[in-house]
Amino acid sequence: SQQGEEDPQALSIQEGENATMNCSYKTSINNLQWYRQNSGRGLVHLILIRSNEREKHSGRLRVTLDTSKKSSSLLITASRAADTASYFCATVNGNTGKLIFGQGTTLQVKP
Amino acid sequence: SAVISQKPSRDICQRGTSLTIQCQVDSQVTMMFWYRQQPGQSLTLIATANQGSEATYESGFVIDKFPISRPNLTFSTLTVSNMSPEDSSIYLCSVATGREGYTFGSGTRLTVV
Repeated sequence: SQQGEEDPQALSIQEGENATMNCSYKTSINNLQWYRQNSGRGLVHLILIRSNEREKHSGRLRVTLDTSKKSSSLLITASRAADTASYFCATVNGNTGKLIFGQGTTLQVKP
Repeated sequence: SAVISQKPSRDICQRGTSLTIQCQVDSQVTMMFWYRQQPGQSLTLIATANQGSEATYESGFVIDKFPISRPNLTFSTLTVSNMSPEDSSIYLCSVATGREGYTFGSGTRLTVV
């Protein structure tokens, strides 16, 4: 089963622009994570934000979390062609350790 | 963080046959997870594999179709049995790596013809 919705499903921008992806989830969480997947290969962990955090930064990535709205956003600043990939949010069930994914956003960055 | 070696990376199989996918982790982990990613879709959890006990399957997945082995704390296999074209997907294994999140294998791209 999927955790929730991500929007947009697809995003196409020019190099240098910022990209914002949103994620909503359904259940209470311990943390929310963002992953990147290039060309249908394995996933790479990008960033983790805990339920008691509201914002987190890592390089060009900025993640926000609003537990009252059960939503998160991932901002990639000054995008590069190499950022072209699919991005997924995922939440962890604290009792089972299961990682459940959102639908994903496909980002295309045009050079 | 853990490193996972997943094999094979891809395969093309005849319908009605079975394929076994292997994941080897470079450290001992309690739980391993198996996911399916259908074309153009997100990842769906198939089952959780615990060492020394039967795997726990998610709704819609059954042991007869996706038998899982977990002989020790560093290794697991997933078999896709009696395959049909609908089983064409990417299959991924994953382990929790503590504060860094989860680590994934590189995936097995399966095409059933």
